[in-house]
Amino acid sequence: DQQVKQNSPSLSVQEGRISILNCDYTNSMFDYFLWYKKYPAEGPTFLISISSIKDKNEDGRFTVFLNKSAKHLSLHIVPSQPGDSAVYFCAARKETSYDKVIFGPGTSLSVIP
Amino acid sequence: NAGVTQTPKFRILKIGQSMTLQCTQDMNHNYMYWYRQDPGMGLKLIYYSVGAGITDKGEVPNGYNVSRSTTEDFPLRLELAAPSQTSVYFCATRPGGPYEQYFGPGTRLTVT
Repeated sequence: DQQVKQNSPSLSVQEGRISILNCDYTNSMFDYFLWYKKYPAEGPTFLISISSIKDKNEDGRFTVFLNKSAKHLSLHIVPSQPGDSAVYFCAARKETSYDKVIFGPGTSLSVIP
Repeated sequence: NAGVTQTPKFRILKIGQSMTLQCTQDMNHNYMYWYRQDPGMGLKLIYYSVGAGITDKGEVPNGYNVSRSTTEDFPLRLELAAPSQTSVYFCATRPGGPYEQYFGPGTRLTVT
């Protein structure tokens, strides 16, 4: 039973437009959420996170939105660039439990020049 | 500063063979992790270690063993390889405190 779901395996976006990657979770114990980015033949790298006490966190072109009541979060990339083409993993954990991170299956983003 | 290194990058094993996946870090991080990623699935935690001499099971430990004799190294041992262990294996590290994990480049293992 997947506790973190990313229902879109892939997404294509034109360069300069907004990319929106979605993630749903089922475990209400999760109170900290992360996004990782992965290029081919590399390991995932941490991108951005959000605590459940917030509903938005922004870092440059990347913004994560959290809707706790819907158990849903999304990552917005504006504007999208070809270098953003990668697999994006949504992940969740309890805020104090750094070792027990649950990952979603990932969404492959292609940004078309 | 190499970060997290994993060897080998690729390996093909026959059913029943054994092997050790190596993970080495030069960041002096206390925490180390082993994950596997199957196609279409998220990363699943196999084992982790909070420091030299201390290891603990993750979500999917069956068929694997680990040891942590030094801060730098966290090898993952597969005994009696099975096709179900075909996967990409990632090692990760984390310093103490409120920091996220740093991942190595992965080892792609095929068991036939």
